Amino acid sequence: NAGVTQTPKFQVLKTGQSMTLQCAQDMNHEYMSWYRQDPGMGLRLIHYSVGAGITDQGEVPNGYNVSRSTTEDFPLRLLSAAPSQTSVYFCASSPRTYEQYFGPGTRLTVT
Amino acid sequence: KNQVEQSPQSLIILEGKNCTLQCNYTVSPFSNLRWYKQDTGRGPVSLTIMTFSENTKSNGRYTATLDADTKQSSLHITASQLSDSASYICVVSDSLFSGGYNKLIFGAGTRLAVHP
Repeated sequence: NAGVTQTPKFQVLKTGQSMTLQCAQDMNHEYMSWYRQDPGMGLRLIHYSVGAGITDQGEVPNGYNVSRSTTEDFPLRLLSAAPSQTSVYFCASSPRTYEQYFGPGTRLTVT
Repeated sequence: KNQVEQSPQSLIILEGKNCTLQCNYTVSPFSNLRWYKQDTGRGPVSLTIMTFSENTKSNGRYTATLDADTKQSSLHITASQLSDSASYICVVSDSLFSGGYNKLIFGAGTRLAVHP
């Protein structure tokens, strides 16, 4: 199993550009989440999904969209990038237990 | 407000020594507490998960304790190795597991450096 994969690993955007961060898991997990990690702060939940076709907002959803058309994929879309969205983004998946598995992260810089 | 606070922010120890990291939380209702290890440039990896009824859990040289009355947890690392250099993150779930999604509150982490 590849586990949770994320692409790209690094990305630089200009203010106002849009892009999609990809996340895929091959463990058939129902739950998937997107977090951002900023220096000196804990990971914060952006959006999450409890199954295909079902998504909900987390703590910091503004400026981001998600969709979950399949169990495997959970892309995160930045609609109009802003410097405040410079961060490291982690995707995670979990089965119906406490365990959560994180991807390797995408480091995004918005100039 | 639900919060998780960790101390110290950073720590330097010599290889072979023991250390203890602290976590205080003000999360209610409490479901479980987790410790994650995050290597530089990687995603967090789970070390231990403890529910309300558990007060100690070990994973090799890592031992986590939980005092649900005082809302404190600690992670003890025994006989440290250079590979233990990482950030250690305390995470608390405020959702009772009922088949639904467990929302997690993350601490900012303790950055541990093990020197030879």
